[in-house]
Amino acid sequence: GEDVEQSLFLSVREGDSSVINCTYTDSSSTYLYWYKQEPGAGLQLLTYIFSNMDMKQDQRLTVLLNKKDKHLSLRIADTQTGDSAIYFCAEYSGGGADGLTFGKGTHLIIQP
Amino acid sequence: EAGVTQSPTHLIKTRGQQVTLRCSPISGHTSVYWYQQALGLGLQFLLWYDEGEERNRGNFPPRFSGRQFPNYSSELNVNALELEDSALYLCASTKEGLAEETQYFGPGTRLLVL
Repeated sequence: GEDVEQSLFLSVREGDSSVINCTYTDSSSTYLYWYKQEPGAGLQLLTYIFSNMDMKQDQRLTVLLNKKDKHLSLRIADTQTGDSAIYFCAEYSGGGADGLTFGKGTHLIIQP
Repeated sequence: EAGVTQSPTHLIKTRGQQVTLRCSPISGHTSVYWYQQALGLGLQFLLWYDEGEERNRGNFPPRFSGRQFPNYSSELNVNALELEDSALYLCASTKEGLAEETQYFGPGTRLLVL
């Protein structure tokens, strides 16, 4: 079945850029998403990218997609303490049948 | 515009009991997805409802069931609760033809089974 992999932890200093990486196996993925989950909360959609794009920028967020390598990354510029959360990569193959396939999430830890 | 809402926020049950969780989608959304977020297992797809019908279910036993009402709200029922059912249950809504087919999530219901 489809699989989405992420590293579990990332530690960065406040003000630096954070880069969270994700790999996926389903070559028929049509959309790829990044969600943010703060402690005790649900998932907040951060951004998404369609599979025929290779980059998308939205304010401090930059998403890069390497479809050949099935690699997705999320760059957060000027990381702030409020960015501390778990970041989930998710892929969707269309048709709705199996919902989103999520990675296990990357805990972003901000050091002062 | 109100987001996806879920109730209750927290629930404590004992093994063998039954529980019902509720979800109201964003106005105009016709599809509801349920996910289970258990510790160490990540988010797993449970059920998909669209236009009042169950369209698909994930790899969960039949004691997980639900329904979708004419107003597109949804219930998730779990019978014969087991300890490993302790998790955050998330509901998400979307609609066919929605750009990017984006799913919007509610805050979740945290279930603890003792």
